[in-house]
Amino acid sequence: DTGVSQDPRHKITKRGQNVTFRCDPISEHNRLYWYRQTLGQGPEFLTYFQNEAQLEKSRLLSDRFSAERPKGSFSTLEIQRTEQGDSAMYLCASSLEAGQGGGYTFGSGTRLTVV
Amino acid sequence: DAKTTQPPSMDCAEGRAANLPCNHSTISGNEYVYWYRQIHSQGPQYIIHGLKNNETNEMASLIITEDRKSSTLILPHATLRDTAVYYCIVSGGAQKLVFGQGTRLTINP
Repeated sequence: DTGVSQDPRHKITKRGQNVTFRCDPISEHNRLYWYRQTLGQGPEFLTYFQNEAQLEKSRLLSDRFSAERPKGSFSTLEIQRTEQGDSAMYLCASSLEAGQGGGYTFGSGTRLTVV
Repeated sequence: DAKTTQPPSMDCAEGRAANLPCNHSTISGNEYVYWYRQIHSQGPQYIIHGLKNNETNEMASLIITEDRKSSTLILPHATLRDTAVYYCIVSGGAQKLVFGQGTRLTINP
């Protein structure tokens, strides 16, 4: 079990550029979650998948954000036309289907800086 | 919105027990209490969770009051590496985790 992997760890981009982050969950976990965290705040929920189906999206997930989880394995989070307000830590987590006990396992995050 | 209330910060001496309180007066019957912690620049780390009974694992103990409206996370022998932000979260089996501001715990030498 290698845990949840996120790539890249850090990303600096110019305003207006598109960025894509990748998350590889724990292999037997069928749920995958994306969160965003700004300095001094707790993580904020963005969206989650059960297998390949995206079951919930937060209102924080504007039209510039899109997430996919093809084949129910890894997931990508794309931000188009980045803005300075998108600067944050983007966290991915995975879990077994709810109700089976245990908690979420988080990755180390991708820190995005928009300049 | 988070369903829990935690003190924003706490201090504890190294080697002593750290007791972190959490109020969750609106908890529903099917909702669990989860505790996570986040060390600077890392993702949150699962610590423990419980429904009704007290729970203990290698990291901590969780004491839930009989009415389930509050709980306490106990780190029995705090070390400097336990300095982190601790999040208390209430969540049902089918619900996502909703984080609040947490408690910033500082372990002092």
